[in-house]
Amino acid sequence: AQSVSQHNHHVILSEAASLELGCNYSYGGTVNLFWYVQYPGQHLQLLLKYFSGDPLVKGIKGFEAEFIKSKFSFNLRKPSVQWSDTAEYFCAVLDGGFKTIFGAGTRLFVKA
Amino acid sequence: DARVTQTPRHKVTEMGQEVTMRCQPILGHNTVFWYRQTMMQGLELLAYFRNRAPLDDSGMPKDRFSAEMPDATLATLKIQPSEPRDSAVYFCASGSGDSSYNEQFFGPGTRLTVL
Repeated sequence: AQSVSQHNHHVILSEAASLELGCNYSYGGTVNLFWYVQYPGQHLQLLLKYFSGDPLVKGIKGFEAEFIKSKFSFNLRKPSVQWSDTAEYFCAVLDGGFKTIFGAGTRLFVKA
Repeated sequence: DARVTQTPRHKVTEMGQEVTMRCQPILGHNTVFWYRQTMMQGLELLAYFRNRAPLDDSGMPKDRFSAEMPDATLATLKIQPSEPRDSAVYFCASGSGDSSYNEQFFGPGTRLTVL
């Protein structure tokens, strides 16, 4: 079965800093990958997803992620974070069929 | 604006009591997932259904938890008897089940506190 590891559990940045959150999945083949965000007190929402095609995926709110097959990675990036990006970010992979495996999450705190 | 609904939003109960959480998936979605989120364990998949049939409930403590879909518009998660360690936020999510579009849409969650 697939597994997902997120390298950083907590990240603290100042506004306007660049963000990169690491995500690795366990094995190759065809993969469907996601990043979800959970704002404080809210439910998870989809930021972006990769199924095929262009490995650089654009999502909402200025986020993007790059799928690198050779590294089994799907890192999330944003060139300039805002205070409102403070949230927990989850990387996820579809584990065959309909089961989605979530990483442990990375808590991002952006200082105003 | 289609969304997943969950009731109740908050539940405080005493150890040993039965707890039932309900979820209404987005109309037309045929996969339903139950997750539990805690500070210590993060987001854990408890069970999921496709076309109302349970596909995987290996993440669920079998002796006290049960999940059902009585019909396509209702999924339930029941804990009997509840224990303090069950305190968590329980999320329901639904998806279209289309192999090319397996995004999950999450409900607002039920925050359960077992005293």
